[in-house]
Amino acid sequence: DTGVSQDPRHKITKRGQNVTFRCDPISEHNRLYWYRQTLGQGPEFLTYFQNEAQLEKSRLLSDRFSAERPKGSFSTLEIQRTEQGDSAMYLCASSLVYFEGQGTYNEQFFGPGTRLTVL
Amino acid sequence: KNEVEQSPQNLTAQEGEFITINCSYSVGISALHWLQQHPGGGIVSLFMLSSGKKKHGRLIATINIQEKHSSLHITASHPRDSAVYICAAYSGGGADGLTFGKGTHLIIQP
Repeated sequence: DTGVSQDPRHKITKRGQNVTFRCDPISEHNRLYWYRQTLGQGPEFLTYFQNEAQLEKSRLLSDRFSAERPKGSFSTLEIQRTEQGDSAMYLCASSLVYFEGQGTYNEQFFGPGTRLTVL
Repeated sequence: KNEVEQSPQNLTAQEGEFITINCSYSVGISALHWLQQHPGGGIVSLFMLSSGKKKHGRLIATINIQEKHSSLHITASHPRDSAVYICAAYSGGGADGLTFGKGTHLIIQP
């Protein structure tokens, strides 16, 4: 399977613990995105990387959230001192961005998500 | 007000019916995505379009850039089409992530 993979698929943790999620993008893709989806809502954008550079992180929900993509391949999303409000599905997507005519081609492919439950 | 609005929020129809889901957006976009999400969370990209119309099997997506409106149609609907359909706008600049609608929960009854 050469799609986007995420690990773990499910995580249950106690409030105050740190958690780390991993995303492995499609290998030739240069962009990687993290989204969060709470129950009954559409996903919301958190951050993204162009290769190893994190180009946008102002949408990260608080300073407890951080993400890395150290070698421009897989990425990790860490949440420190988890709170019950952090319970959600965390989605990763990757894309190969290129410029076509006057537009930008950026079709994102999503992983299965990591469902976090904070007790 | 969400920058991407979908309607209806919930739709129940009988097998074989023609389905239309609408999406309106207030942001400038370079592309609009239609996504399908099944129970359990996995999201599949159905279409990405910036103008006109695209067709894949029984699915058709249209977009009117001037009116900032897109529609997803399903012909000859089937119970396996039951899912949440999400519209997402890509602005191509700024924060660069997708801006999502809340989704339309579609149930096709046999």
